[in-house]
Amino acid sequence: DIQMTQSPSTLSASVGDRVTITCRASQSIDSWLAWYQQKPGKAPKLLIYKASSLQSGVPSRFSGTGSGTDFTLTISGLQLDDFATYYCQHYDGLPVTFGGGTKVEIK
Amino acid sequence: QVQLVESGGGVVQPGRPLKVSCVASGFIFSNYGIQWVRQAPGKGLEWLAVISYDGDDIYYADSVKGRFTISRDNSNNTVSLQMNNLRPEDTAMYYCGKDIYPYHTNGWTTVDSWGQGILVTVSS
Repeated sequence: DIQMTQSPSTLSASVGDRVTITCRASQSIDSWLAWYQQKPGKAPKLLIYKASSLQSGVPSRFSGTGSGTDFTLTISGLQLDDFATYYCQHYDGLPVTFGGGTKVEIK
Repeated sequence: QVQLVESGGGVVQPGRPLKVSCVASGFIFSNYGIQWVRQAPGKGLEWLAVISYDGDDIYYADSVKGRFTISRDNSNNTVSLQMNNLRPEDTAMYYCGKDIYPYHTNGWTTVDSWGQGILVTVSS
């Protein structure tokens, strides 16, 4: 199985900050990577698919880059609504697997 | 708009079965595969199973293979997950989700909409 490793596991930031979360795959997954946002008690919400494609309705302050094994999710100008946990997920084969999550907390 | 609603969760004793269902609306259900993932309390997301748009292609995670069965009824816009021989470690919130791409058959896809989830608790 492909292992997805996210860092950091927790991140403290302030409103307006630029935030970067990284995700590393244990083998190349081309660009078959998605990013999800999850708030407590809610379902995950798709932000980015195919590494850099912004899902419809998602604010443009979210962006994704990377290919192969190394990927990043950037939030440019953190908003109060962005404090949540973020997961990466590969879908370059089965089983699809998720990273362990990055919790973005208020500093 | 796309909507998926899970039902059928609850408390069940170890070794007993339970069936959870997912009713979809707001899109052409018969064109899209459906996936199930779960999230144990305070933990991350675990993919469980996927069924193709026509039900012909089904894939499972090793952790549930042989115990869980996914099926779909395109006439009623419903996907079900039959869970047998449940274990305490199956305790989790279960989410169904719609594939982002239509007509996908190999399961190598991601989800663009999830249901609100249904809680399954396995305990004596």
